[in-house]
Amino acid sequence: EVQLVESGGGLVQPGGSLRLSCAASGFTVSSNYMNWVRQAPGEGLEWVSIIYSGGNTYYADSVKGRFTISRDNSKNTLYLQMNSLRVEDTAVYYCARDSGRVRGENSDFDCWGQGTLVTVSS
Amino acid sequence: DIVMTQSPDSLAVSLGERATINCKSSQSVLYRSNNKDYLAWYQQKPGQPPKLLIYWASTRESGVPDRFSGSGSGTDFTLTISSLQAEDVAVYYCQQYYSTPYTFGQGTKLEIK
Repeated sequence: EVQLVESGGGLVQPGGSLRLSCAASGFTVSSNYMNWVRQAPGEGLEWVSIIYSGGNTYYADSVKGRFTISRDNSKNTLYLQMNSLRVEDTAVYYCARDSGRVRGENSDFDCWGQGTLVTVSS
Repeated sequence: DIVMTQSPDSLAVSLGERATINCKSSQSVLYRSNNKDYLAWYQQKPGQPPKLLIYWASTRESGVPDRFSGSGSGTDFTLTISSLQAEDVAVYYCQQYYSTPYTFGQGTKLEIK
């Protein structure tokens, strides 16, 4: 069964750091495009970052220079290192798999984790 | 960035009736090379992650009931639920994956009238 399980969320003060993890099972993280998507309380979905199978990364302007997406192939796990956190980064963070329907092209997100809540507050 | 705009923001429909949600993109999400629209629809129920319903604007994901259908091309898209069931109460989002940054519509909250 294809599954994603996030962890690492919690309460952090503004300016602090946090690392989120997303453990995958049933497929290989490094063979897929993998994403982070966040959702502020009561709000809509905001795409945050992608890591391509080749290792290239891309970020939303709102997190560029502060967040870093990475993966550990030996652990089949995706990460999001979040530095210089702001109150507006408060959200549930989801990892999501690109379905890979067409090799080498962007695609929809066919598998999502349950999410991990990050709260940035003093 | 491609801006996705959904309408309406909320919708109340009677059980068994049709529900229609619209999504408009600020630029075309149609790839001429393969004639596919890079547009997906998701359903999100309270306390749950989004669930993929439709991809390539009109292809139903495996396991999704056939009362859900997607249509449109280029910049204008529609999600239709042909006969609303109680379990369809949720927030629905469209998303373009034509180019990064991927963007979502603001969501449409669907309720029972």
